[in-house]
Amino acid sequence: DAKTTQPPSMDCAEGRAANLPCNHSTISGNEYVYWYRQIHSQGPQYIIHGLKNNETNEMASLIITEDRKSSTLILPHATLRDTAVYYCIVRVSGTASKLTFGTGTRLQVTL
Amino acid sequence: EAEVAQSPRYKITEKSQAVAFWCDPISGHATLYWYRQILGQGPELLVQFQDESVVDDSQLPKDRFSAERLKGVDSTLKIQPAELGDSAMYLCASSRTGYGGTEAFFGQGTRLTVV
Repeated sequence: DAKTTQPPSMDCAEGRAANLPCNHSTISGNEYVYWYRQIHSQGPQYIIHGLKNNETNEMASLIITEDRKSSTLILPHATLRDTAVYYCIVRVSGTASKLTFGTGTRLQVTL
Repeated sequence: EAEVAQSPRYKITEKSQAVAFWCDPISGHATLYWYRQILGQGPELLVQFQDESVVDDSQLPKDRFSAERLKGVDSTLKIQPAELGDSAMYLCASSRTGYGGTEAFFGQGTRLTVV
């Protein structure tokens, strides 16, 4: 699976959009981009995933560049409850595919 | 909303004792994963099941760890004997399939402390 690079930490003011970047320059054409988050002492929570096109759900938007070498997770109106570690994961599309976690980005939402 | 259930939530055990964790995946999910998360690090896959078959256990320390999913539904992860370095969060996840385009959902984990 391709490796990902994320900033170790970011801050965001409550009510503002949080834009979390991820670099995956070695991604292959059959690999998905997944985002999970983990609030302290809880299990990881699925947020969103995509292959080529931008995706949006009730939690967030995923913007994937045209060359697919990077992506951005957007939380449109961050709240204090969005404070967590956010993991960007590249996952091959074949069967028996696993999620390989890195160290993620620690997002701190402040008043 | 369906959830992955894990028990116990917390476990304290002495070094050299045996310990077991239980996971009940979301109904209908064929793929089940066990992960270990050491404090400050991301989760690491220990074992992956497709129905009752192991499809990946390359990172499972097989001299002391074992995992089973006998009827392709719930699963048990066992450590015997436990070592101090096994202190970690043990996470279970499930997905409808092991295909790369499907979502995997995690339980709340079991926090193990070995003393």
